[in-house]
Amino acid sequence: SQTIHQWPATLVQPVGSPLSLECTVEGTSNPNLYWYRQAAGRGLQLLFYSVGIGQISSEVPQNLSASRPQDRQFILSSKKLLLSDSGFYLCAWNRQGISYNSPLHFGNGTRLTVT
Amino acid sequence: QKEVEQDPGPLSVPEGAIVSLNCTYSNSAFQYFMWYRQYSRKGPELLMYTYSSGNKEDGRFTAQVDKSSKYISLFIRDSQPSDSATYLCAMSAQRDSNYQLIWGAGTKLIIKP
Repeated sequence: SQTIHQWPATLVQPVGSPLSLECTVEGTSNPNLYWYRQAAGRGLQLLFYSVGIGQISSEVPQNLSASRPQDRQFILSSKKLLLSDSGFYLCAWNRQGISYNSPLHFGNGTRLTVT
Repeated sequence: QKEVEQDPGPLSVPEGAIVSLNCTYSNSAFQYFMWYRQYSRKGPELLMYTYSSGNKEDGRFTAQVDKSSKYISLFIRDSQPSDSATYLCAMSAQRDSNYQLIWGAGTKLIIKP
């Protein structure tokens, strides 16, 4: 069976510090990978998605970047965090080729607080 | 106007009641409709997935899509305290050569024992 791991679960970082959140998927190959941010009372905002190693699409220009160094590894980074980067970050995957109706499978998220 | 509207709640009902959760949308191009359940401090998990108008049933859950009214619903029968969670609707449509998933804000549901 497929599993998705996301860590850390919670993170408190000062403004201006770097960020690295990691997500790995097991039990499948060549998945689509996604980073979402969820703000309280708002829907999920797609930040980045990737259809393959080294292929990253950015949906929202901002202080964050993403990388996919391996097939089942997706990393969200920032060089200098802003207060507005606080939020709940979710990694997700689905199957290639039928992304329009292939269910998304989410990790348990990282609660980031920038102080 | 948001493409997908969903009342954030909270919606509080007694155990055993029938729950109705709803989303409205404005884009008639939406083709696929999903309901996700999210427990506190967890990621969302897929509950129901529908394509056409009509009803789809899975145990105590029924998803309903009315494309003519641009309205989708999730019904929960015999609600349990374990159903307390945030329920998010999501729908997808083709944008250029890709498909885009649009999310509602989520409705927080509380089932009182």
